[in-house]
Amino acid sequence: DAGITQSPRHKVTETGTPVTLRCHQTENHRYMYWYRQDPGHGLRLIHYSYGVKDTDKGEVSDGYSVSRSKTEDFLLTLESATSSQTSVYFCAISEGGSDIQYFGAGTRLSVL
Amino acid sequence: QQPVQSPQAVILREGEDAVINCSSSKALYSVHWYRQKHGEAPVFLMILLKGGEQKGHEKISASFNEKKQQSSLYLTASQLSYSGTYFCGTATSGTYKYIFGTGTRLKVLA
Repeated sequence: DAGITQSPRHKVTETGTPVTLRCHQTENHRYMYWYRQDPGHGLRLIHYSYGVKDTDKGEVSDGYSVSRSKTEDFLLTLESATSSQTSVYFCAISEGGSDIQYFGAGTRLSVL
Repeated sequence: QQPVQSPQAVILREGEDAVINCSSSKALYSVHWYRQKHGEAPVFLMILLKGGEQKGHEKISASFNEKKQQSSLYLTASQLSYSGTYFCGTATSGTYKYIFGTGTRLKVLA
């Protein structure tokens, strides 16, 4: 299995609070992705990174920011969580842009 | 725009075949296929690139029609372990932003 760790695995928070999710990899892959998964919508790309400090927006980036200061870590921040951001969040990594994506186990976030 | 997957759901008996389709409104550079079991992370099945290159499992095949912007996943002699939700992810040339379809739920019965 690819070495990807997401933390925390579960989180319950209140509306308006900041939340940071962490994705850590031990594979030294260049590309890292954050997706959210909701019933009826499949996987939707939030942001992705193609190198240290190199990031780009996905299709549902509003309300989210990311940072990648080291190859192995990709952080997703919800500046002020809303109930609409209740979801399962998956991190994925790939060696190249069109290579296999390996997914982490996911983080289940509930915003009350 | 999300690619459209069809069918949305399918039920099979062990040993039967199935085809899952993925259509995009945009010109595609690559198509990925993943399978996800309930409560688990998606797992890689196939990659198809413009120009014909493929990477994937031996027992699963797929096609990529660049002109029609379509891909199909072929599951032959299905096994119980094939049950899950199948997603296609598409990327257009010059970008590595993968847009995934809403999924096809497949259930294989004994």
